[in-house]
Amino acid sequence: DAKTTQPNSMESNEEEPVHLPCNHSTISGTDYIHWYRQLPSQGPEYVIHGLTSNVNNRMASLAIAEDRKSSTLILHRATLRDAAVYYCILRPYSGAGSYQLTFGKGTKLSVIP
Amino acid sequence: DTAVSQTPKYLVTQMGNDKSIKCEQNLGHDTMYWYKQDSKKFLKIMFSYNNKELIINETVPNRFSPKSPDKAHLNLHINSLELGDSAVYFCASSWGDRGNSPLHFGNGTRLTVT
Repeated sequence: DAKTTQPNSMESNEEEPVHLPCNHSTISGTDYIHWYRQLPSQGPEYVIHGLTSNVNNRMASLAIAEDRKSSTLILHRATLRDAAVYYCILRPYSGAGSYQLTFGKGTKLSVIP
Repeated sequence: DTAVSQTPKYLVTQMGNDKSIKCEQNLGHDTMYWYKQDSKKFLKIMFSYNNKELIINETVPNRFSPKSPDKAHLNLHINSLELGDSAVYFCASSWGDRGNSPLHFGNGTRLTVT
């Protein structure tokens, strides 16, 4: 399985932008980059995904490096509700590997009021 | 309507008992999953089912048996419960064989074995 590397923890001030990095140097050409987050006492929640181009949705933006070996999840204005563990996961386009998400340790984001 | 729902939310039982956790999804997805999150918060896949067929079966003790009566349901039966089975179990669903299909998770079942 292609692996990802994320910082164990990050801090942000409330209402400031947050950039959460992820390295995935062994990504294959057909792997999608997924981001999920898990708030305390809740199930993982889908945030965003992309393949090659940068992506925006109502929750966040995903910036993907040109060589696809790294990506950055951008929260434009952090709120206290964004405090969670954020997971960067690679998911193959198809085949047996596409039938699961392999979670790593993720980045624990703390938001300071 | 909740997209992926699990019951019960909490389950407290004694060692040696047999218990079940139910999961239902109303998203029309063809693939469902069970994940286990242990006390160290590490999320690990246990099973995935596509159209009622077992696709992924990680190294899980035989005491754990998934049952999929139809595409919208994936139940988890656990026999002879052990202390080490205490964890939070999450059900999820998505379109299988599509890497761009997000997984939708339930809110988990916290199992405590005493």
